[in-house]
Amino acid sequence: DAMVIQNPRYQVTQFGKPVTLSCSQTLNHNVMYWYQQKSSQAPKLLFHYYDKDFNNEADTPDNFQSRRPNTSFCFLDIRSPGLGDAAMYLCATSRNRGPSTDTQYFGPGTRLTVL
Amino acid sequence: TQLLKQSPQFLSIQEGENLTVYCNSSSVFSSLQWYRQEPGEGPVLLVTVVTGGEVKKLKRLTFQFGDARKDSSLHITAAQPGDTGLYLCAGVPGNQFYFGTGTSLTVIP
Repeated sequence: DAMVIQNPRYQVTQFGKPVTLSCSQTLNHNVMYWYQQKSSQAPKLLFHYYDKDFNNEADTPDNFQSRRPNTSFCFLDIRSPGLGDAAMYLCATSRNRGPSTDTQYFGPGTRLTVL
Repeated sequence: TQLLKQSPQFLSIQEGENLTVYCNSSSVFSSLQWYRQEPGEGPVLLVTVVTGGEVKKLKRLTFQFGDARKDSSLHITAAQPGDTGLYLCAGVPGNQFYFGTGTSLTVIP
């Protein structure tokens, strides 16, 4: 059974046209993360929510925003996508933040193409 | 700044060969995790090592955590095409989760 679900799996948008990616989880985890991953590179953390507490990475562009309306759902909004924003976007969850043995569970990702 | 550096970055080998991937840091980690990511999918957790010097085996995969808890290695015996993917180490020094730089493995039939 899918535990972290991302929709859509593939998203095509035009340069400058806002786009929203969605993530849902059935694990009831407190923490949800959004990562950006480019080809053959490690995922790069954009931000995470610990419950309703939003934590932005220092180098995440302002073009990227996130919403978490409830425990199960989290959205990534890209306000004005550029060609450099084309990437795989991964959502992950963990029960808590900080315990050394905590595990992150990843969704299958959404591949974003910017035309 | 990359806390966790993996080597090699890319590896292409023939089916049946052995290989080792390294994950190194100057920081001490209370635990390290290894993930495998297949093309077009999210990373999947393979193992967590917690104790310095710990060795864990998962079929043909052997994971080791360094005595000083600053490094880890993944050894694959008799690699198969199904082992192809991006291997990522990850750790939590404090309250933040860090991924390593990644090793892209291709096993040629």
